[in-house]
Amino acid sequence: EAQVTQNPRYLITVTGKKLTVTCSQNMNHEYMSWYRQDPGLGLRQIYYSMNVEVTDKGDVPEGYKVSRKEKRNFPLILESPSPNQTSLYFCASRRDSDYSPLHFGNGTRLTVT
Amino acid sequence: KQEVTQIPAALSVPEGENLVLNCSFTDSAIYNLQWFRQDPGKGLTSLLLIQSSQREQTSGRLNASLDKSSGRSTLYIAASQPGDSATYLCATPSGSQGNLIFGKGTKLSVKP
Repeated sequence: EAQVTQNPRYLITVTGKKLTVTCSQNMNHEYMSWYRQDPGLGLRQIYYSMNVEVTDKGDVPEGYKVSRKEKRNFPLILESPSPNQTSLYFCASRRDSDYSPLHFGNGTRLTVT
Repeated sequence: KQEVTQIPAALSVPEGENLVLNCSFTDSAIYNLQWFRQDPGKGLTSLLLIQSSQREQTSGRLNASLDKSSGRSTLYIAASQPGDSATYLCATPSGSQGNLIFGKGTKLSVKP
């Protein structure tokens, strides 16, 4: 089954403790992206990657890191999480084409205390 | 910088009604515009994607139109059903194709 898989689905952590949220897709998509969704603010893009070893900042990259060493994986790293990073996070992927729709994972709900 | 607005934020209709959801954008030089559905606690599901050269796309009871000159897209849902209840979002690239900007969505409730 074609899918975007995020892990974990739920995560509670404390301020300053480094964490990684994994994202993997099995569709051989070139493009991958991370979003956060907050009430009243909607979905905002954190980082995106057009292909392996190519990453760019979205609208809210501060406090986050990403890497794209393999085509299928695009982990989101929070080196020193803070409470304002409490949010619902989504990973998405698509082919590198104008005609390609975006496929989303089921989300990771992160709470930083 | 591209801004995407969806009005209304919420909409409640009786089952069977035809309805229109609106999406407006400030920069008409878009590559494409995509409509999504989000169910509570779930990720987004792509419904329709309209290229900048197209005027509309159809999938079943859904029809999306695009008018770049006026900076508007509409999602038409025919014969609404309770199962259509969800939040509907539109999104379009800003600047580079990689940087997607989302509207805040319209929460649709279809009453039996």
